[in-house]
Amino acid sequence: QVQLQESGPGLVKPSQTLSLTCKVSGGSISSDGYYWSWIRQQPGKGLEWIAYIYHSGRASYNPSLKSRVDISVDTSKNQFSLNVSSVTAADTAVYYCARDNRLAPVTRGAFDIWGQGTMVSVSS
Amino acid sequence: EVVLTQSPGTLSVSPGERATLACRASHSISNNFLAWYQQIPGQPPRLLIYGASSRATGIPDRFSGSGSGTDFTLTVSRLEAEDFAVYYCQQYGSSPYTFGQGTKLEIK
Repeated sequence: QVQLQESGPGLVKPSQTLSLTCKVSGGSISSDGYYWSWIRQQPGKGLEWIAYIYHSGRASYNPSLKSRVDISVDTSKNQFSLNVSSVTAADTAVYYCARDNRLAPVTRGAFDIWGQGTMVSVSS
Repeated sequence: EVVLTQSPGTLSVSPGERATLACRASHSISNNFLAWYQQIPGQPPRLLIYGASSRATGIPDRFSGSGSGTDFTLTVSRLEAEDFAVYYCQQYGSSPYTFGQGTKLEIK
Protein backbone atom coordinates (compact mmCIF):
# COMPACT_ATOMS: atom_id res chain seq x y z
CA GLN A 1 0.00 0.00 0.00
CA VAL A 2 1.33 3.37 -1.03
CA GLN A 3 2.15 5.74 1.80
CA LEU A 4 3.35 9.32 1.76
CA GLN A 5 5.51 11.00 4.38
CA GLU A 6 6.29 14.71 4.48
CA SER A 7 9.41 16.13 6.04
CA GLY A 8 10.45 19.70 6.57
CA PRO A 9 12.00 22.26 8.94
CA GLY A 10 9.03 23.09 11.18
CA LEU A 11 10.11 26.72 11.57
CA VAL A 12 11.22 29.13 8.86
CA LYS A 13 12.15 32.81 9.15
CA PRO A 14 10.28 35.43 7.13
CA SER A 15 11.72 36.11 3.66
CA GLN A 16 13.52 32.75 3.62
CA THR A 17 12.74 29.71 1.47
CA LEU A 18 10.66 26.85 2.80
CA SER A 19 11.72 23.41 1.55
CA LEU A 20 9.63 20.28 1.97
CA THR A 21 10.03 16.70 0.79
CA CYS A 22 7.46 13.93 0.36
CA LYS A 23 8.77 10.37 0.39
CA VAL A 24 6.68 7.78 -1.40
CA SER A 25 6.79 4.22 -0.04
CA GLY A 26 5.00 1.04 -1.02
CA GLY A 27 4.99 1.98 -4.68
CA SER A 28 6.92 3.80 -7.37
CA ILE A 29 6.59 7.50 -7.97
CA SER A 30 7.28 6.66 -11.62
CA SER A 31 4.15 4.56 -12.03
CA ASP A 32 2.11 5.77 -14.96
CA GLY A 33 -1.19 7.43 -14.14
CA TYR A 34 -0.28 9.07 -10.85
CA TYR A 35 0.41 12.75 -10.28
CA TRP A 36 1.79 14.08 -7.04
CA SER A 37 0.55 17.23 -5.35
CA TRP A 38 1.20 19.59 -2.47
CA ILE A 39 -1.77 21.01 -0.58
CA ARG A 40 -1.73 23.25 2.46
CA GLN A 41 -4.11 24.13 5.27
CA GLN A 42 -3.62 27.37 7.15
CA PRO A 43 -4.54 27.25 10.86
CA GLY A 44 -8.30 26.97 11.31
CA LYS A 45 -8.90 27.36 7.59
CA GLY A 46 -9.64 25.33 4.52
CA LEU A 47 -7.46 23.56 2.00
CA GLU A 48 -5.44 25.12 -0.81
CA TRP A 49 -3.95 23.17 -3.70
CA ILE A 50 -0.41 24.41 -4.43
CA ALA A 51 1.02 22.38 -7.32
CA TYR A 52 1.37 18.96 -8.89
CA ILE A 53 4.11 17.11 -10.70
CA TYR A 54 4.38 13.97 -12.84
CA HIS A 55 7.40 11.68 -12.83
CA SER A 56 8.38 13.11 -16.21
CA GLY A 57 8.79 16.51 -14.58
CA ARG A 58 5.61 17.98 -16.03
CA ALA A 59 4.19 20.36 -13.43
CA SER A 60 1.28 22.70 -12.84
CA TYR A 61 0.90 25.46 -10.28
CA ASN A 62 -1.83 27.42 -8.57
CA PRO A 63 -1.55 30.93 -10.06
CA SER A 64 -1.96 32.43 -6.59
CA LEU A 65 1.41 30.98 -5.56
CA LYS A 66 3.13 30.31 -8.87
CA SER A 67 5.64 33.16 -8.65
CA ARG A 68 7.05 31.82 -5.35
CA VAL A 69 6.71 28.06 -5.70
CA ASP A 70 8.79 25.35 -7.33
CA ILE A 71 7.93 21.66 -7.34
CA SER A 72 10.39 18.95 -8.36
CA VAL A 73 10.66 15.19 -8.50
CA ASP A 74 13.57 12.81 -7.78
CA THR A 75 12.64 9.42 -9.16
CA SER A 76 15.88 7.83 -7.94
CA LYS A 77 14.87 8.62 -4.36
CA ASN A 78 11.15 8.05 -4.96
CA GLN A 79 10.26 11.46 -3.63
CA PHE A 80 9.11 14.90 -4.67
CA SER A 81 9.74 18.29 -3.18
CA LEU A 82 8.34 21.79 -2.78
CA ASN A 83 10.14 25.09 -2.36
CA VAL A 84 8.28 28.23 -1.35
CA SER A 85 10.36 31.39 -1.51
CA SER A 86 10.00 34.74 0.28
CA VAL A 87 7.77 33.27 2.96
CA THR A 88 5.60 35.37 5.28
CA ALA A 89 3.38 34.56 8.22
CA ALA A 90 0.62 33.81 5.72
CA ASP A 91 2.58 30.72 4.65
CA THR A 92 2.21 29.22 8.12
CA ALA A 93 0.23 26.04 7.54
CA VAL A 94 0.09 22.27 7.62
CA TYR A 95 1.54 21.12 4.33
CA TYR A 96 0.25 17.85 2.90
CA CYS A 97 1.48 15.82 -0.01
CA ALA A 98 -1.13 13.77 -1.83
CA ARG A 99 -1.58 11.41 -4.76
CA ASP A 100 -3.75 12.38 -7.70
CA ASN A 101 -4.97 9.12 -9.24
CA ARG A 102 -5.39 9.52 -13.00
CA LEU A 103 -5.91 5.89 -13.90
CA ALA A 104 -9.50 6.78 -14.72
CA PRO A 105 -10.66 10.11 -16.15
CA VAL A 106 -13.25 10.56 -13.41
CA THR A 107 -10.61 10.47 -10.67
CA ARG A 108 -8.17 12.82 -12.39
CA GLY A 109 -7.61 15.58 -9.82
CA ALA A 110 -9.14 13.82 -6.81
CA PHE A 111 -6.66 13.02 -4.05
CA ASP A 112 -6.94 9.41 -2.91
CA ILE A 113 -3.86 9.11 -0.69
CA TRP A 114 -2.53 11.79 1.68
CA GLY A 115 0.46 12.09 3.93
CA GLN A 116 -0.04 12.92 7.60
CA GLY A 117 1.04 16.50 7.01
CA THR A 118 3.85 18.61 8.39
CA MET A 119 3.31 21.85 10.28
CA VAL A 120 5.41 24.79 9.14
CA SER A 121 5.50 28.02 11.07
CA VAL A 122 6.95 31.24 9.67
CA SER A 123 8.31 33.41 12.45
CA SER A 124 11.42 35.32 13.35
CA GLU B 1 -11.07 30.11 -10.63
CA VAL B 2 -14.10 28.16 -9.44
CA VAL B 3 -15.20 29.25 -5.97
CA LEU B 4 -16.98 26.63 -3.89
CA THR B 5 -19.37 27.69 -1.13
CA GLN B 6 -20.42 25.09 1.41
CA SER B 7 -23.50 25.29 3.61
CA PRO B 8 -24.22 25.27 6.38
CA GLY B 9 -21.02 26.19 8.18
CA THR B 10 -21.98 23.96 11.08
CA LEU B 11 -24.62 21.25 11.15
CA SER B 12 -25.88 19.68 14.39
CA VAL B 13 -27.42 16.24 13.95
CA SER B 14 -28.17 13.36 16.30
CA PRO B 15 -26.53 9.96 15.85
CA GLY B 16 -28.68 7.67 13.72
CA GLU B 17 -30.19 10.55 11.78
CA ARG B 18 -29.42 11.85 8.30
CA ALA B 19 -27.16 14.80 7.44
CA THR B 20 -27.27 16.72 4.17
CA LEU B 21 -24.36 18.98 3.24
CA ALA B 22 -24.38 21.37 0.29
CA CYS B 23 -21.67 22.66 -2.03
CA ARG B 24 -22.39 25.35 -4.61
CA ALA B 25 -19.94 26.34 -7.36
CA SER B 26 -19.49 29.79 -8.90
CA HIS B 27 -19.29 28.19 -12.34
CA SER B 28 -20.50 24.89 -13.72
CA ILE B 29 -18.02 22.14 -12.87
CA SER B 30 -16.71 20.41 -15.94
CA ASN B 31 -17.76 16.73 -16.17
CA ASN B 32 -19.10 17.00 -12.60
CA PHE B 33 -15.57 16.51 -11.35
CA LEU B 34 -16.50 17.14 -7.73
CA ALA B 35 -15.06 15.29 -4.73
CA TRP B 36 -15.95 15.16 -1.04
CA TYR B 37 -13.49 14.64 1.80
CA GLN B 38 -13.85 13.98 5.51
CA GLN B 39 -11.32 15.43 7.93
CA ILE B 40 -11.07 14.44 11.57
CA PRO B 41 -9.03 16.87 13.73
CA GLY B 42 -5.33 16.10 13.60
CA GLN B 43 -5.70 13.86 10.55
CA PRO B 44 -5.39 14.44 6.81
CA PRO B 45 -8.52 14.58 4.67
CA ARG B 46 -9.96 11.27 3.46
CA LEU B 47 -11.49 10.93 0.02
CA LEU B 48 -15.15 9.89 0.28
CA ILE B 49 -16.72 10.68 -3.07
CA TYR B 50 -15.37 11.46 -6.54
CA GLY B 51 -17.10 12.30 -9.78
CA ALA B 52 -19.92 13.78 -7.68
CA SER B 53 -21.46 10.41 -6.86
CA SER B 54 -18.92 7.56 -6.85
CA ARG B 55 -17.76 6.26 -3.50
CA ALA B 56 -14.03 5.85 -3.01
CA THR B 57 -12.57 2.50 -2.03
CA GLY B 58 -13.65 1.35 1.43
CA ILE B 59 -16.21 4.09 2.00
CA PRO B 60 -19.45 2.83 3.62
CA ASP B 61 -22.64 3.06 1.60
CA ARG B 62 -24.22 5.41 4.14
CA PHE B 63 -22.19 8.13 2.34
CA SER B 64 -23.68 9.25 -0.95
CA GLY B 65 -23.11 12.15 -3.30
CA SER B 66 -25.36 13.75 -5.86
CA GLY B 67 -25.73 16.83 -7.99
CA SER B 68 -24.47 18.31 -11.23
CA GLY B 69 -23.45 21.60 -12.76
CA THR B 70 -23.15 24.03 -9.86
CA ASP B 71 -25.09 22.34 -7.05
CA PHE B 72 -23.89 19.25 -5.22
CA THR B 73 -24.90 17.39 -2.07
CA LEU B 74 -23.27 14.95 0.30
CA THR B 75 -25.69 12.85 2.32
CA VAL B 76 -24.69 10.82 5.34
CA SER B 77 -27.49 8.53 6.42
CA ARG B 78 -27.65 6.79 9.79
CA LEU B 79 -24.93 8.92 11.38
CA GLU B 80 -22.38 7.08 13.49
CA ALA B 81 -20.06 8.53 16.11
CA GLU B 82 -17.04 8.49 13.78
CA ASP B 83 -18.88 10.54 11.14
CA PHE B 84 -18.75 13.75 13.17
CA ALA B 85 -15.98 15.69 11.46
CA VAL B 86 -15.38 18.47 8.96
CA TYR B 87 -16.35 17.84 5.34
CA TYR B 88 -14.87 19.58 2.31
CA CYS B 89 -15.90 19.61 -1.31
CA GLN B 90 -13.30 20.02 -4.04
CA GLN B 91 -13.61 20.65 -7.75
CA TYR B 92 -11.09 19.23 -10.18
CA GLY B 93 -12.82 20.07 -13.42
CA SER B 94 -10.61 23.07 -14.04
CA SER B 95 -7.31 24.41 -12.83
CA PRO B 96 -6.58 25.54 -10.22
CA TYR B 97 -8.23 22.83 -8.15
CA THR B 98 -10.24 24.49 -5.39
CA PHE B 99 -11.85 23.46 -2.13
CA GLY B 100 -14.86 24.71 -0.23
CA GLN B 101 -14.42 26.24 3.20
CA GLY B 102 -15.85 23.19 4.94
CA THR B 103 -18.93 22.13 6.91
CA LYS B 104 -18.49 20.99 10.49
CA LEU B 105 -20.83 18.13 11.35
CA GLU B 106 -21.34 18.04 15.09
CA ILE B 107 -23.29 15.91 17.50
CA LYS B 108 -26.63 17.36 18.55
